[in-house]
Amino acid sequence: KNEVEQSPQNLTAQEGEFITINCSYSVGISALHWLQQHPGGGIVSLFMLSSGKKKHGRLIATINIQEKHSSLHITASHPRDSAVYICTIQGAQKLVFGQGTRLTINP
Amino acid sequence: DSGVTQTPKHLITATGQRVTLRCSPRSGDLSVYWYQQSLDQGLQFLIQYYNGEERAKGNILERFSAQQFPDLHSELNLSSLELGDSALYFCASSMGLDGGELFFGEGSRLTVL
Repeated sequence: KNEVEQSPQNLTAQEGEFITINCSYSVGISALHWLQQHPGGGIVSLFMLSSGKKKHGRLIATINIQEKHSSLHITASHPRDSAVYICTIQGAQKLVFGQGTRLTINP
Repeated sequence: DSGVTQTPKHLITATGQRVTLRCSPRSGDLSVYWYQQSLDQGLQFLIQYYNGEERAKGNILERFSAQQFPDLHSELNLSSLELGDSALYFCASSMGLDGGELFFGEGSRLTVL
């Protein structure tokens, strides 16, 4: 079993919909990162979380350390949000990546 | 612009050859991480350096090696290349040893023919 599991693997939605991507992990961590990778390949770090909730524009990320679970929400989704979203856990000086969620937002 | 520079952006070489990928971290960041992303796999952590010292190893093959120099730039050396080594190789940097925001380079796309 992978140390990091993301769901769903693929998600297609209409512009304007509220999007939720989930991440569960099975080991102790010092931080959890949400990354965004666009079709061109570049990776951008969206959030780093060690507790609670963070918001940046239309993006919200939450983490529950006790339940070992994090969610990434996108409000008022837009076609430019189409990308692969990757949950990454950091602990014991190494990073473990989820398999990613491919999000497609149709106009 | 993340502040992390990777060169070369693209590299095509033949099986059996050796290549070196270079990463300059964001100014002030002491940690450098290397990752591999193959077509059929997600991101795989290879190795981390912190202030010149190797700190963590992931799924790095024995044919691969890395180092971080006193000016904090890092190089990933890939030798005896195989077709399966074709991938995107990313580096990222962060300020601290364990934790801290990650800043990614644009990646080096290696094609082994």
